[in-house]
Formats: sequence, structure tokens, C-alpha cells
Amino acid sequence: DTAVSQTPKYLVTQMGNDKSIKCEQNLGHDTMYWYKQDSKKFLKIMFSYNNKELIINETVPNRFSPKSPDKAHLNLHINSLELGDSAVYFCASSQSSNTGTASRPQYFGPGTRLLVL
Amino acid sequence: RKEVEQDPGPFNVPEGATVAFNCTYSNSASQSFFWYRQDCRKEPKLLMSVYSSGNEDGRFTAQLNRASQYISLLIRDSKLSDSATYLCVVIPSGGFKTIFGAGTRLFVKA
Repeated sequence: DTAVSQTPKYLVTQMGNDKSIKCEQNLGHDTMYWYKQDSKKFLKIMFSYNNKELIINETVPNRFSPKSPDKAHLNLHINSLELGDSAVYFCASSQSSNTGTASRPQYFGPGTRLLVL
Repeated sequence: RKEVEQDPGPFNVPEGATVAFNCTYSNSASQSFFWYRQDCRKEPKLLMSVYSSGNEDGRFTAQLNRASQYISLLIRDSKLSDSATYLCVVIPSGGFKTIFGAGTRLFVKA
């Protein structure tokens, strides 16, 4: 049983289109994340939701809009796709600590490879 | 200065060698530390958490030096399957922001 799953695995689209990526975790975690890994392989956090509330938004363009319908799901919608959005997007989840922080390890989904033409 | 810095490598070592990676962090209030490995075209996977007293998991040993603000990973008796990119992860105290290092590439050769 996959712990953190993402769909689709691959996404090829034209500039200007709108697309969504979905993420689900069955680990019972209360925190979920979106990361972007660019061509230089640098992994950078984009968003984090804790108990369905947005708690991190790391200077990401507002063309990117995350949505968390419940604690097990975190989706990412991207409007007006640009060439620079081409990257691998990883979803992750973790269980927050007793103090309400992210001191516990995160578990990643397999990634969505987005190519904007 | 980057928040988390790692030597990008690559490290090329023969099977059976011992190899060590270091990672420095800039925020002295950082509270949680991890090592992840990432294989080519795969997701990062947790290798081990790093505890203040140091910890070992089989051939892998992690150390934390809060005074000097660095963590290290030692791999003994390297295997071909250890070839991967090793990512240092730091979480500052009081929040959820997670900072990944750029990774250190390891090639283990027969």
C-alpha cells in the first residue's frame, strides 16, 4: 500500500495552460507539503498545511494555489503555466510533534514530472 | 551564506571504503536534523534522524555538533547500492519550514 501517492506521474503541457496535481497520504499524518525540485536538483519547500491550514507559503507566485480538502489530501493547482515551472513536484507528509512543530521526518510521494513546452 | 550547505561532490569511492559527508547550517536555533538519500529519478527517502548524542544504524553513523553547527554522516564498508545523492535536512525550531541541502553525490565503484 503506497503511503504517499501523487497523480499524475508525468505531465506535459503547453505554456499558458492550467493544470492540477493531486496528493494523498494514508499514514494518518496531520501535515502535508509541496516541494519543487528544479533541473539543478535543488529541493525547495513551496507550501505546508497543518490540519488543513496553510502554514508555509514560501514566496511562490500566486499562480500556484494549494488546496487541502482534508488532512489526507493536498492538491496543487497551477494557472498560466510558464516554461520555468518545468520541474519535479514532490508531495510529502509528516506528523507534527507534541509541541505543534515539524520535528518529525517527512515521507515523500514519487513525484510529478512537469514539462511545460 | 546559504541556510544549509553541503559539499556537492561527487565522491567516488571503491566498494568497502569509508566515506564521510558534512553539512553546515546557519540557524543556531535549528531543532531537528535528518539525512535523506535520493536515487536518480526517485523521491527522497529518510535514511536516518540525527540525534544530539549521535546515532548509528548498521553501517551508517550520524553526528550532530551544535556548537559548530554541523551534522555529519559516516558510511562504513560502502556498497554499490549506496550510490545515491545524500541530502542534509534541517528544521528550525518553532515551525514547519524544512530546509534541504543541495545534496552530495556518491558513486561507489566495484
